[in-house]
Amino acid sequence: SAVISQKPSRDICQRGTSLTIQCQVDSQVTMMFWYRQQPGQSLTLIATANQGSEATYESGFVIDKFPISRPNLTFSTLTVSNMSPEDSSIYLCSVIPGQGANEQFFGPGTRLTVL
Amino acid sequence: AQSVAQPEDQVNVAEGNPLTVKCTYSVSGNPYLFWYVQYPNRGLQFLLKYITGDNLVKGSYGFEAEFNKSQTSFHLKKPSALVSDSALYFCAVRAPNDYKLSFGAGTTVTVRA
Repeated sequence: SAVISQKPSRDICQRGTSLTIQCQVDSQVTMMFWYRQQPGQSLTLIATANQGSEATYESGFVIDKFPISRPNLTFSTLTVSNMSPEDSSIYLCSVIPGQGANEQFFGPGTRLTVL
Repeated sequence: AQSVAQPEDQVNVAEGNPLTVKCTYSVSGNPYLFWYVQYPNRGLQFLLKYITGDNLVKGSYGFEAEFNKSQTSFHLKKPSALVSDSALYFCAVRAPNDYKLSFGAGTTVTVRA
């Protein structure tokens, strides 16, 4: 498994501002992902964070709105840009720990409220 | 395309009774199946997985799940539920050659004392 931390754990932001969420893993991992969980909903994959290259975004998500960085094998950031109330969600990062692993392990999530 | 259906939004059981949470899936090729649990204000915790082998897999906290290929199902079970099992449960699937997970809508389990 892997120990994953996220900062901040929660935030309340104003419309039109941006928030950067950090994800830190206690070991080097190959695969990192960012998910969104809207209120009362299931999880939706936003993007795969690729180390040293641009993230791979899922349909409906774009880099201008959700820029992602992954400078090394233990850290990634997700920015939610130009926020609106519709962006109020829980944002979770996940990892696949290493070669041969199949399950994803999730961070505790960042609960974002946009006013 | 891959997808997961969890037909029950809520499951209510009495403590000590068996608990079953249903899941059916659709995926190209052999499925990789997972169950996760989410407690209030916390992230997802991995419970168990089916990749290959024995159709009955055992996981954390006394949970098990049975893979049924003909019915494309992967139901989660616990023989004797505890109040502390009350949480939101997600089933997820992916194809062998793709790391992207597709989640079901989730089932809220309430175990009453």
